[in-house]
Amino acid sequence: GALVYQYPRRTICKSGTSMRMECQAVGFQATSVAWYRQSPQKTFELIALSTVNSAIKYEQNFTQEKFPISHPNLSFSSMTVLNAYLEDRGLYLCGARGDIYAEQFFGPGTRLTVL
Amino acid sequence: AQSVTQPDARVTVSEGASLQLRCKYSYSGTPYLFWYVQYPRQGLQLLLKYYSGDPVVQGVNGFEAEFSKSNSSFHLRKASVHWSDSAVYFCVLSPGNTGKLIFGLGTTLQVQP
Repeated sequence: GALVYQYPRRTICKSGTSMRMECQAVGFQATSVAWYRQSPQKTFELIALSTVNSAIKYEQNFTQEKFPISHPNLSFSSMTVLNAYLEDRGLYLCGARGDIYAEQFFGPGTRLTVL
Repeated sequence: AQSVTQPDARVTVSEGASLQLRCKYSYSGTPYLFWYVQYPRQGLQLLLKYYSGDPVVQGVNGFEAEFSKSNSSFHLRKASVHWSDSAVYFCVLSPGNTGKLIFGLGTTLQVQP
């Protein structure tokens, strides 16, 4: 079956530092990977959508300078939160999709706490 | 504008009762619609999806949803809920099946014994 793993599951970082999170698709080829953030008491916001062989598209309020993403192959993606502050805390989900008519499979998320 | 509205932030029902969670979407093109569930301290799991065809789609664990283009709705239903159904339910729109997902605010379902 199709599975998506995320690492780490939880992380704590000091304000102003950076942390990197990873996403791995198993059992299918992830032609597109989307990163979402669920802030406390909020719904999921799309940060960026990465499609293989296309430029990574960031949503309004999110930038490459703050959330650089790497999507080097069809099974792996990583995102870094640079200079993390309180407003960056939340659950970061990776959603991977295999083909044009497939739904997104989500990983369990990386929960970021900023001190 | 593309958006998803879940008008009920919290729904409480008794175990064994029927359930409807409401969802309205705004999108001028062909919508691809999903319901995802988030159990406590977990990620998202897909309940069901609608791409085209029969407007009533069946999902896992006895859930179903009905798509209505005229009402721009995609309500989720279950005939008899179980306490383990307590979770947060998200209605999700993929405009034009682009891979971008737009989430509703979620409805927290609490099933009382």
